[in-house]
Amino acid sequence: AQSVTQLGSHVSVSEGALVLLRCNYSSSVPPYLFWYVQYPNQGLQLLLKYTTGATLVKGINGFEAEFKKSETSFHLTKPSAHMSDAAEYFCAVNVANAGGTSYGKLTFGQGTILTVHP
Amino acid sequence: NAGVTQTPKFQVLKTGQSMTLQCAQDMNHEYMSWYRQDPGMGLRLIHYSVGAGITDQGEVPNGYNVSRSTTEDFPLRLLSAAPSQTSVYFCASSRTGDRKNTIYFGEGSWLTVV
Repeated sequence: AQSVTQLGSHVSVSEGALVLLRCNYSSSVPPYLFWYVQYPNQGLQLLLKYTTGATLVKGINGFEAEFKKSETSFHLTKPSAHMSDAAEYFCAVNVANAGGTSYGKLTFGQGTILTVHP
Repeated sequence: NAGVTQTPKFQVLKTGQSMTLQCAQDMNHEYMSWYRQDPGMGLRLIHYSVGAGITDQGEVPNGYNVSRSTTEDFPLRLLSAAPSQTSVYFCASSRTGDRKNTIYFGEGSWLTVV
């Protein structure tokens, strides 16, 4: 079974400051991890994903995340926040059985609302 | 590029009414699913389908029915709406079950049951 925990339901930063959104996972099989962003009254947009290979993953809008197996973490960062980054962010893990078979399903964290102050 | 299309975007229902949320994708994806989003709970899987004619339950299936008669469409039916079903509903699709595949989401359907 796989699960995801996002630490902090609300994060507030000043424009230009570092953004750090925390995500920890639990998985009995090698995890495939995703970050999605949701702007108000809109759907989910994929920011980035980790499958295999390089543990530092770069995504859209200047975001990146690092997969750390020893810490079971996949934290999302951006060096300099912009007002347009204000949104809700979701970490998710692709659900798979012991044999690695997936059915196109995701298990999500609780979400983190990012507020950016001028 | 239509992607995943959901209708309606907003709906208000009275308790006990029935309705169907429509979902269609034009990417020839095999896998489709429905999630509901509630504050502080992220998204939770309601039902999913791995191909036409094949559906299965997710984490929170009670009160919802689905069918998959075509590859493109995956409607979600509420047979007798309850206030607890007030939520935002998202349809999603992916090309296959390969875990590397991106899962695409629709724009969401905001449902209020009064």
